[in-house]
Amino acid sequence: DSGVTQTPKHLITATGQRVTLRCSPRSGDLSVYWYQQSLDQGLQFLIQYYNGEERAKGNILERFSAQQFPDLHSELNLSSLELGDSALYFCASSVSLAGAPPSYNEQFFGPGTRLTVL
Amino acid sequence: AQKVTQAQTEISVVEKEDVTLDCVYETRDTTYYLFWYKQPPSGELVFLIRRNSFDEQNEISGRYSWNFQKSTSSFNFTITASQVVDSAVYFCALKMEGGKLIFGQGTELSVKP
Repeated sequence: DSGVTQTPKHLITATGQRVTLRCSPRSGDLSVYWYQQSLDQGLQFLIQYYNGEERAKGNILERFSAQQFPDLHSELNLSSLELGDSALYFCASSVSLAGAPPSYNEQFFGPGTRLTVL
Repeated sequence: AQKVTQAQTEISVVEKEDVTLDCVYETRDTTYYLFWYKQPPSGELVFLIRRNSFDEQNEISGRYSWNFQKSTSSFNFTITASQVVDSAVYFCALKMEGGKLIFGQGTELSVKP
């Protein structure tokens, strides 16, 4: 158990709908990362938040958005869903060591949310 | 451009065989970090090891060992005396300043009894 929790574990929805995926990082971790794992694209970085602020963006579609709240949990919002959005969505968090750059720390992954768009 | 290549898509071995998973990376950064993750059939991603670009010492942890060579931009992973429980998809990843991970396509290892 990595200490990162994600809900829900599975989500089945229809095209055009909007869903919200939730992530609670490990206690004390300030950074949250979102990744998408699909058969054709593999594991891809979507977005990173650090202590409530967006830090880096990857291949995240405009239909997708995320935020990190004051209690450090994060939500990934996916809207106008398409069949191709079906994937496993991972959240990861990393500890922030005093004096070390955020990139130093290994990321611990949650169990993922499997999204199926029908 | 930053890139990670795992040329072996699938590997199948018989239990107790040794197996090496290859990873080649590309980056222009002078400081970077390399990782290996394991994804068992249950789906979660399990952290195995981190290696800094300025530390080329090889590492051994039980049946696992890692060979990092900057000269060839490789970070290979060897499992000695493989077991059925080692069956999983293994990902090599590159992390730069800023924090995001770039993953290879993964190598699916199947260990047969």
